[in-house]
Amino acid sequence: DTEVTQTPKHLVMGMTNKKSLKCEQHMGHRAMYWYKQKAKKPPELMFVYSYEKLSINESVPSRFSPECPNSSLLNLHLHALQPEDSALYLCASSQVGKETQYFGPGTRLLVL
Amino acid sequence: SQQGEEDPQALSIQEGENATMNCSYKTSINNLQWYRQNSGRGLVHLILIRSNEREKHSGRLRVTLDTSKKSSSLLITASRAADTASYFCATPQYAGGTSYGKLTFGQGTILTVHP
Repeated sequence: DTEVTQTPKHLVMGMTNKKSLKCEQHMGHRAMYWYKQKAKKPPELMFVYSYEKLSINESVPSRFSPECPNSSLLNLHLHALQPEDSALYLCASSQVGKETQYFGPGTRLLVL
Repeated sequence: SQQGEEDPQALSIQEGENATMNCSYKTSINNLQWYRQNSGRGLVHLILIRSNEREKHSGRLRVTLDTSKKSSSLLITASRAADTASYFCATPQYAGGTSYGKLTFGQGTILTVHP
């Protein structure tokens, strides 16, 4: 299985809602990533998990809360988001020590 | 700040023509990667070239790397309509002894191949 899956594909939420994005991979990768991508822009790194521990937080606002419950799963919990947080959220994984990352199809988030 | 800058920002060609995209970067690198992204979808890894390599081929793709100029180019030969996508270069940075790359992407080139 060489796939990274993400659910949901689309999400619309109000600024007072709490929602979660989910990412799953079964490639045995122990590094997992969250990226945010605005329209016509490159992906920007948000978080990196290595061996299920948070390794990098790129100064992301606390309304985004990542979680890595096991080596296959990565969640991004969302709370009190702003309309400017509307974007495509991409999950990726890689072998630790390897540079190539494998991306999921993304969750398109709209905050109203 | 973004490590890579790409040009052109957009490229429109006919099927069968070659497409060349360029990427420049600022700091020393161990390798440089190219990814493709179809509209609104995830990124797909195309090719990785290491700092000690000058040229690499994969099917219709040819990548060059000039570390003295801190630049790379991606050539797609005999383009097809299915090659229509955004293409990003990406460079990893390592910090704090980490053994994985924090990927920083260039601004991307939007390629449109007309049938």
